[in-house]
Amino acid sequence: GQNIDQPTEMTATEGAIVQINCTYQTSGFNGLFWYQQHAGEAPTFLSYNVLDGLEEKGRFSSFLSRSKGYSYLLLKELQMKDSASYLCAVRDSNYQLIWGAGTKLIIKP
Amino acid sequence: DGGITQSPKYLFRKEGQNVTLSCEQNLNHDAMYWYRQDPGQGLRLIYYSQIVNDFQKGDIAEGYSVSREKKESFPLTVTSAQKNPTAFYLCASSDDTGIPSQPQHFGDGTRLSIL
Repeated sequence: GQNIDQPTEMTATEGAIVQINCTYQTSGFNGLFWYQQHAGEAPTFLSYNVLDGLEEKGRFSSFLSRSKGYSYLLLKELQMKDSASYLCAVRDSNYQLIWGAGTKLIIKP
Repeated sequence: DGGITQSPKYLFRKEGQNVTLSCEQNLNHDAMYWYRQDPGQGLRLIYYSQIVNDFQKGDIAEGYSVSREKKESFPLTVTSAQKNPTAFYLCASSDDTGIPSQPQHFGDGTRLSIL
């Protein structure tokens, strides 16, 4: 079966750095997405990785290792507004998105 | 401003009742999707449509129905056959399903509860 694993919840301090991991086992691989979702709101697109390595976008970076079935989202200089759930999704061989359950990130002052 | 509008934001269903959730997009996207989100679970695909007048079942289509009569509209009906409808429902759209890097764009969701 297809499976995506993320930690359920993480806590970090304002101004610090946090790494949210995602491991996947899917039928084929056509890229991995990260989304941010504030409670009761729409998920918003953060990043897409299809090749191994690190993609940087401002305070957010995303890393992919296809051989290990592993990705992480790195958030730097954490702000209170970064408190949200972070969803990992893989596009499989049928071009469908398979979603992880999300990681709830709590930022403390 | 382009985007996806879902309505209503909150919806209550009585026993034996069908309810319809609205989803409208003005992004000129070809593909539209309906997901269900439950606590502790990933988004699960209910139905999707890649073109007008055509749609396919997702992983959990039982108890739901859709139509795609217009490009911008993709309403979801939760029928009385869906025995556990309480969830957060998200509608999404994307530009070109042939390009793997194309992200899906989401509406703000409808929270459905049983009375």
